[in-house]
Amino acid sequence: EVQLVESGGGLVQPGGSLRLSCAASGFIFSDYWMYWVRQAPGKGLVWVSRINPGGSETTYADSVKGRFTISRDNANNMLYLQMDSLRADDTAVYYCLKRGLDGAYFVPWGQGTLVSVSS
Amino acid sequence: DIVMTQSPDSLAVSLGERATINCKSSRSVLLSSNNKDRLAWYQQKPGQPPKLLIYWASTRESGVPDRFIGSGSGTDFTLTISSLQAEDVAVYYCQQYSSIPLTFGPGTKVDI
Repeated sequence: EVQLVESGGGLVQPGGSLRLSCAASGFIFSDYWMYWVRQAPGKGLVWVSRINPGGSETTYADSVKGRFTISRDNANNMLYLQMDSLRADDTAVYYCLKRGLDGAYFVPWGQGTLVSVSS
Repeated sequence: DIVMTQSPDSLAVSLGERATINCKSSRSVLLSSNNKDRLAWYQQKPGQPPKLLIYWASTRESGVPDRFIGSGSGTDFTLTISSLQAEDVAVYYCQQYSSIPLTFGPGTKVDI
């Protein structure tokens, strides 16, 4: 069974940093593109970033480019999101997601981890 | 960027009746190599993460009841719940995976 368990969220002041982690299991992690998607409280879903199976290719939404860094550790089946220069509008639940077998749709979704940026 | 719009913003449907949600993309999401549309639908119940219902515009995810039906092509898509059940109260999102950035519709809230 595929499982994705996010952690590392919390309350941080504007301008601060946070590192999110995602523990993956139940599939061959090193074979898949991985993604982060976020959802602000009461709002919709927004794609944040993606990384290729080998970790050499990364892409970011314009809203986080230059502030967030996605990375992965294939030896330990872990995905990360380093978040720097955090702003209030980064407040959201962050989901770690695995690409589908034949397209960038997402199943399953974990519970996510909540990041709150506030002074 | 491909902009996804949904209509209506919300709808209320009686139990057992049909619910229809529309999703429109700002440009085609058709993959010519397989003639399939790169469009997914998700259901998000209150307090829960989203759940994949449909991908490739009309392929139902394993375990999803057959009352959920995805249709459409090109730029216009529809999610139909053929006979609404109480447990279908949720927000429904469409998503295109044709190009980066991946984009989602704003959601449609379905109530009884």
